[in-house]
Amino acid sequence: SQKIEQNSEALNIQEGKTATLTCNYTNYSPAYLQWYRQDPGRGPVFLLLIRENEKEKRKERLKVTFDTTLKQSLFHITASQPADSATYLCAPGTYIPTFGRGTSLIVHP
Amino acid sequence: DTAVSQTPKYLVTQMGNDKSIKCEQNLGHDTMYWYKQDSKKFLKIMFSYNNKELIINETVPNRFSPKSPDKAHLNLHINSLELGDSAVYFCASSRQGSNTEAFFGQGTRLTVV
Repeated sequence: SQKIEQNSEALNIQEGKTATLTCNYTNYSPAYLQWYRQDPGRGPVFLLLIRENEKEKRKERLKVTFDTTLKQSLFHITASQPADSATYLCAPGTYIPTFGRGTSLIVHP
Repeated sequence: DTAVSQTPKYLVTQMGNDKSIKCEQNLGHDTMYWYKQDSKKFLKIMFSYNNKELIINETVPNRFSPKSPDKAHLNLHINSLELGDSAVYFCASSRQGSNTEAFFGQGTRLTVV
């Protein structure tokens, strides 16, 4: 069955550093992959979508890579800020958005 | 303007009761979803509707029944509530087809006592 893995442990980093989150998936080959941000008490909010023929995609301080051979996506936040603290969810593309458990990012001032 | 709105935001009820959660989207989307997020924060799909028709029904007890009166609404009815139903329920919508982002409501925190 399809499986999506994200680091369950929280990632703690200092303000200004680059945060890197990992999403691994198995047993399927999605044509695209989405990343969402979820704040406590709120619903997930879409951030970026990357297609299988795109190696990398950027949006402001965000960068996503998609390696279909490794079945992995990396999500980077450069020059991180305390306001970036949240849980980040990946959703390797299927017809119905299906999410990993998410990784909590904590950016310390 | 709220794109996807759910009511109520909080719902506390006793075991055995029947309750409903309402969801409305004003984005003109054809597809709507219900997700359940448990205490471990795992967001799991429950139902998906496309143009008022059920597309997917994951392994969900029959006590849960979605109802879509029109494309803009997808309500969730839950009968005979159990303690294990306590969770946050999210409604979402998207344009028809794959490769589209989902827009989520703010969630309904259901507590069964």
